[in-house]
Amino acid sequence: ETGVTQTPRHLVMGMTNKKSLKCEQHLGHNAMYWYKQSAKKPLELMFVYSLEERVENNSVPSRFSPECPNSSHLFLHLHTLQPEDSALYLCASSQDRMWRGEVGLLGKLFFGSGTQLSVL
Amino acid sequence: EDQVTQSPEALRLQEGESSSLNCSYTVSGLRGLFWYRQDPGKGPEFLFTLYSAGEEKEKERLKATLTKKESFLHITAPKPEDSATYLCAVQANQAGTALIFGKGTTLSVSS
Repeated sequence: ETGVTQTPRHLVMGMTNKKSLKCEQHLGHNAMYWYKQSAKKPLELMFVYSLEERVENNSVPSRFSPECPNSSHLFLHLHTLQPEDSALYLCASSQDRMWRGEVGLLGKLFFGSGTQLSVL
Repeated sequence: EDQVTQSPEALRLQEGESSSLNCSYTVSGLRGLFWYRQDPGKGPEFLFTLYSAGEEKEKERLKATLTKKESFLHITAPKPEDSATYLCAVQANQAGTALIFGKGTTLSVSS
């Protein structure tokens, strides 16, 4: 299997449930991302892992908890979500390279098909 | 504040009717500008990267151009299979900065 695979494709959960989203990339990349996509809004970056270390966390509520056990796998653990958290959650990967002597993140992202999450 | 604005929000074309999509940006030093295509129910798919003003990239019926303030995605003689949402994103010239996306332009091409 190639590319970026996300499971499940669809998820319906109550506000008191705990669930996890899974992402796996088969591209040999060393950076992975979680994005949130809501209707009529731009993609919102949630978390970035580069070389398995979290490098960015854009003020995401603590009810979202990421986990990156290795460079090929990324999880997003969900608990006590709110209805406004309903959205498409996208995982992406890229190859991290040096930029002007510092570690930079390339914009050539490879996305999975996403998990459509509905919180009731 | 770094920002990306895409216009129009939606565009309807007849097959063969050429047009352009616009992406205006304000960023504190541009590292790169990116175009993606997103089909319904799928994640965005990378199309082009542009790094400096004057640069152009082409792929089939699509051509992307870049100036110091905006980028255009020109679609020549579109076909129904070009129907999708086209996303523009910029990366600022700071180490560790990820992409800032626009809201996208939804293109519908009818035969």
